[in-house]
Amino acid sequence: ETGVTQTPRHLVMGMTNKKSLKCEQHLGHNAMYWYKQSAKKPLELMFVYNFKEQTENNSVPSRFSPECPNSSHLFLHLHTLQPEDSALYLCASSQEADSPYGYTFGSGTRLTVV
Amino acid sequence: GQNIDQPTEMTATEGAIVQINCTYQTSGFNGLFWYQQHAGEAPTFLSYNVLDGLEEKGRFSSFLSRSKGYSYLLLKELQMKDSASYLCAVLNTNAGKSTFGDGTTLTVKP
Repeated sequence: ETGVTQTPRHLVMGMTNKKSLKCEQHLGHNAMYWYKQSAKKPLELMFVYNFKEQTENNSVPSRFSPECPNSSHLFLHLHTLQPEDSALYLCASSQEADSPYGYTFGSGTRLTVV
Repeated sequence: GQNIDQPTEMTATEGAIVQINCTYQTSGFNGLFWYQQHAGEAPTFLSYNVLDGLEEKGRFSSFLSRSKGYSYLLLKELQMKDSASYLCAVLNTNAGKSTFGDGTTLTVKP
């Protein structure tokens, strides 16, 4: 375990379903991130939260909705997804948004949309 | 915008040295990271460079030239467990925004 825990590890959902991904860290970090990792494509930044405030929405479709209730928890709510949204969704945290110590990543949620 | 280039694949022999290059173009630069990602696992932090020069950390070293927009990761005394994807990421002046390259898949052979 890296200190950043993501659940579930695997998720299969239909295009009409609503599901949520959860990320939790108790490292005392103040910044949290959602990244999407698709096959043969680089990690794509989706959202950034710094001290619970959303500071970045990287042109993500509204069918992805983040929520950060406190500095330890981050959610990604999913609804009416498309098959092309199938990917590995990685949560990460850092001391603060521009930390030189880099990110601590969770193990990811492997999402398959059918 | 940002553009980050690194080779897609590299192969090296156990015990050898390998250098993985990364070139970048960015509108604002605030440091460069290298991460290691084994198949099916989370990326893990290896190094951070913000000033020109070489940072050494055990068998791994990372170099940065800001004027050339160039970095490399040097792996010495390669071990089989070093087979992984190596990700170059640029942190730009927008706080907390790291942009990742496609990653270089390194295969270490006996």
